[in-house]
Amino acid sequence: AQKVTQTQTSISVMEKTTVTMDCVYETQDSSYFLFWYKQTASGEIVFLIRQDSYKKENATVGHYSLNFQKPKSSIGLIITATQIEDSAVYFCAMRGSALGRLHFGAGTQLIVIP
Amino acid sequence: EAAVTQSPRNKVAVTGGKVTLSCNQTNNHNNMYWYRQDTGHGLRLIHYSYGAGSTEKGDIPDGYKASRPSQENFSLILELATPSQTSVYFCASGDNPYEQYFGPGTRLTVL
Repeated sequence: AQKVTQTQTSISVMEKTTVTMDCVYETQDSSYFLFWYKQTASGEIVFLIRQDSYKKENATVGHYSLNFQKPKSSIGLIITATQIEDSAVYFCAMRGSALGRLHFGAGTQLIVIP
Repeated sequence: EAAVTQSPRNKVAVTGGKVTLSCNQTNNHNNMYWYRQDTGHGLRLIHYSYGAGSTEKGDIPDGYKASRPSQENFSLILELATPSQTSVYFCASGDNPYEQYFGPGTRLTVL
């Protein structure tokens, strides 16, 4: 069975600082894909970044980057130079070899304080 | 220009009534998905489809049916709505193995 766990319910940080959100996953699949999504206050869900399990390099998109630690089944999301508009709920998700099915964590609420 | 749209955006239904939630995508993706979101549960998969005419059960399919009449459209049907189905429903499209793109959500309240 596949499972995604986000233990941090809520995080508060000061604007312009760096924050890391944790995510651990369980899977029996040898190849899998990890995703982070952002849900804004309006409810919109936006794809942020993806890590393919067979890639050793950590993915980076804009001020989002990943800390992929495969031996620990961990995929942390790092946001540098946080902005007020980064305040949102962040979801970690995983897709294994089963076609198309995403498994989501419960989410972490990020509050950026000006 | 929104690639995944949902209708209605808000719906109030009565217990025992029939509810149909509609989703349309212009991404030309083969795969489409229906999720519900409840506090503390993240997003849970109800039904999904690999293409027109196909539907598959997700993790929580009980009480729901799905219909995929075309590449662009995917509906979620609650034949006999219950208060426990009060939730926010999201449709998504996306081809393997890459990311999915979500619609704006439908808030359903069953009284």
